[in-house]
Amino acid sequence: EPEVTQTPSHQVTQMGQEVILRCVPISNHLYFYWYRQILGQKVEFLVSFYNNEISEKSEIFDDQFSVERPDGSNFTLKIRSTKLEDSAMYFCAIAGGAGNTIYFGEGSWLTVV
Amino acid sequence: QKEVEQDPGPLSVPEGAIVSLNCTYSNSAFQYFMWYRQYSRKGPELLMYTYSSGNKEDGRFTAQVDKSSKYISLFIRDSQPSDSATYLCAMTFFGNEKLTFGTGTRLTIIP
Repeated sequence: EPEVTQTPSHQVTQMGQEVILRCVPISNHLYFYWYRQILGQKVEFLVSFYNNEISEKSEIFDDQFSVERPDGSNFTLKIRSTKLEDSAMYFCAIAGGAGNTIYFGEGSWLTVV
Repeated sequence: QKEVEQDPGPLSVPEGAIVSLNCTYSNSAFQYFMWYRQYSRKGPELLMYTYSSGNKEDGRFTAQVDKSSKYISLFIRDSQPSDSATYLCAMTFFGNEKLTFGTGTRLTIIP
């Protein structure tokens, strides 16, 4: 199973601040994803990223969010001007193996106060 | 109607019992079906992956897909306390596309 390392594991930020969450897949992959899970709720798709471009995004992924792969290995999710309702676990995921097998990182827990 | 429905539980069973977890879905275009296990405050861990209808077995785990009924199941045999977790079903249409998840079923195996 491919490994996906996410940093930070937990971040507390004040409302209105910018946050950058990072993801480092161990091996080269083409497909990257960000998902979100608000406490007690289901895992929700945010965005998929293929060949250095956004391939699909959900209605949650508005102008407040952006993704990039700044150096060919790290994959980042930036949340501008955080809101209280952005508090959630954010998971990076990669596609690997046969077909549609998608593997998740351990997540970054974001608390907005 | 929700795209994917899953009984949130909680479900408690004694150690050694057979566990049955289920999801129903509304969109017949889903073709790929997964089961993930999630421990508290951790990332989903892929357990089983199936394409279209049929059964797939991996050790103590069996995944079943019935596309005619839009119903998928995960069976856990000889359940262990370490199986205590939240189990998430997820599905997608084709290609490396977004997953649509169920709400998850919280399972506790009682020693």
